[in-house]
Amino acid sequence: EAGVTQFPSHSVIEKGQTVTLRCDPISGHDNLYWYRRVMGKEIKFLLHFVKESKQDESGMPNNRFLAERTGGTYSTLKVQPAELEDSGVYFCASSQDLNMAYEQYFGPGTRLTVT
Amino acid sequence: DQQVKQNSPSLSVQEGRISILNCDYTNSMFDYFLWYKKYPAEGPTFLISISSIKDKNEDGRFTVFLNKSAKHLSLHIVPSQPGDSAVYFCAASALTGANNLFFGTGTRLTVIP
Repeated sequence: EAGVTQFPSHSVIEKGQTVTLRCDPISGHDNLYWYRRVMGKEIKFLLHFVKESKQDESGMPNNRFLAERTGGTYSTLKVQPAELEDSGVYFCASSQDLNMAYEQYFGPGTRLTVT
Repeated sequence: DQQVKQNSPSLSVQEGRISILNCDYTNSMFDYFLWYKKYPAEGPTFLISISSIKDKNEDGRFTVFLNKSAKHLSLHIVPSQPGDSAVYFCAASALTGANNLFFGTGTRLTVIP
C-alpha cells in the first residue's frame, strides 16, 4: 500500500510569490490533515478535511493560506503571497477512522523556504 | 500557548542502556497520548500510545508511562539501540473533541554505539 505522498519535497520562493503544496493521502482515507513545523518548534495543526469538507481549520495562520481537497482525494495548500515567517516544513497526514487519532499516517513533508 | 512540552531538546545514551524521554502537558481535556519517531527527511511515524485510563503501556522495548495527576508522560526505551537515534515527538489528543494532534517540540535521541 502506498503511503502519504507530498510534492514538492522542497520549495524555495521569494517573499510575495505564490506556492502550492500538494498531498496525496493513502487511498481510501477520508481524513486528511495539514500540519506545519517551523524550525525548532512544535508540529502545529493547520486544518482537517473529512472527504472534501473542511472539518476544522482553526490552525490556519491567516487568509494567505488556502486549502482545498477536490473530490475528497488529493489536497492542495496554497500560500499567497508568501512571507518570511511561512518558512518551515509542511506535513500532510491521513487517517481512515475519525476516532483513532493514532492512525494518522504522515507524509515526508514539504520544506518551504521563503527568502 | 504550547499545550505539550518537551523540555529536553536532546539526549545521548550509550547503546544497551535505558533512554528516558519526558513530556508534560497542560490541557486536562487530553485523553490520548502518543509518541512519534522521526528520521531526517521523513514524516513522523507512530511508535506507541496510551489512553488516559491507563498508566502504562508496553510494546517490546518501548514503554510509555502516564502520570495524570502530574500531567506528565515518559517514554522508556530499553535496551537502546543505534537505530533508535531519531527525533521523538510527544503528542496529545482529546478524542472526544477535535481530532487533531498537539505536538511537543521534539527530543533528539542519539544512541552511541
